Amino acid sequence: KAGVTQTPRYLIKTRGQQVTLSCSPISGHRSVSWYQQTPGQGLQFLFEYFSETQRNKGNFPGRFSGRQFSNSRSEMNVSTLELGDSALYLCASSPGSAGGRLDTQYFGPGTRLTVL
Amino acid sequence: QKEVEQNSGPLSVPEGAIASLNCTYSDRGSQSFFWYRQYSGKSPELIMFIYSNGDKEDGRFTAQLNKASQYVSLLIRDSQPSDSATYLCAVGSNDMRFGAGTRLTVKP
Repeated sequence: KAGVTQTPRYLIKTRGQQVTLSCSPISGHRSVSWYQQTPGQGLQFLFEYFSETQRNKGNFPGRFSGRQFSNSRSEMNVSTLELGDSALYLCASSPGSAGGRLDTQYFGPGTRLTVL
Repeated sequence: QKEVEQNSGPLSVPEGAIASLNCTYSDRGSQSFFWYRQYSGKSPELIMFIYSNGDKEDGRFTAQLNKASQYVSLLIRDSQPSDSATYLCAVGSNDMRFGAGTRLTVKP
C-alpha cells in the first residue's frame, strides 16, 4: 500500500500571503489529522477530519483551516501568513472510526513552509 | 502543566545497553498510547502502540503502561547506533497529543 503523500514538500511564501497544502491518506483510511511541528513548540495538533467533517480542532487561530474531500484527500489552508507560521506541517492518516479509541496514525513526509 | 511530558534529554547510552524512555500524561480519560521515532529531517514513524496496562513487547522494544500512575515508557534493548533519534510519546483521547520528545544517542 502506498503511504501518506503530501504536496508540495517545500514552500516559500512571504508575510500576508496564503498557502494551501495537500494530503493524500493511505488507501482506505478515512481520518486525516494535521500537525504543526516547530523546534520550540514540538508537534501541535491542528485539526482532524473524518468523512469530510472536522471532528476535532486544536488551539490555532482561525487563519488555519482545512477540508476533506469525498475521496478522503485533505487540504489545509493558512491565510495571512505570519513569520511564526514557518514550520513543518505534517499530515497523518488513520483508518478512523465513528467513535471510541483513537487509531494509530501514519505520518506523511511533511511540507516545510518558510515564511519570509 | 503540559498534557504529555517527556524528559527532553539528550539521553546517551552505549551500544548494546538498554535505553529507557519515560512519559507522563495528564488526561485520565486517555485510551491510546503510542511511541514514534523521528530521525532528524524526517517525519515520525510508529514504533509501538499500547492500550492496556502492563507490558507489550515487539522485538527489541517494550512498551509499558500504568494508567493509575498516568505513565508510559519505552525500553529499547540491545541499543544500536541506528536507534539514535528523537522519540515521541503520543497520547490519544479525543485527539492525539504529543510530548516534546526525548533525544536518544547510542554511542558505538
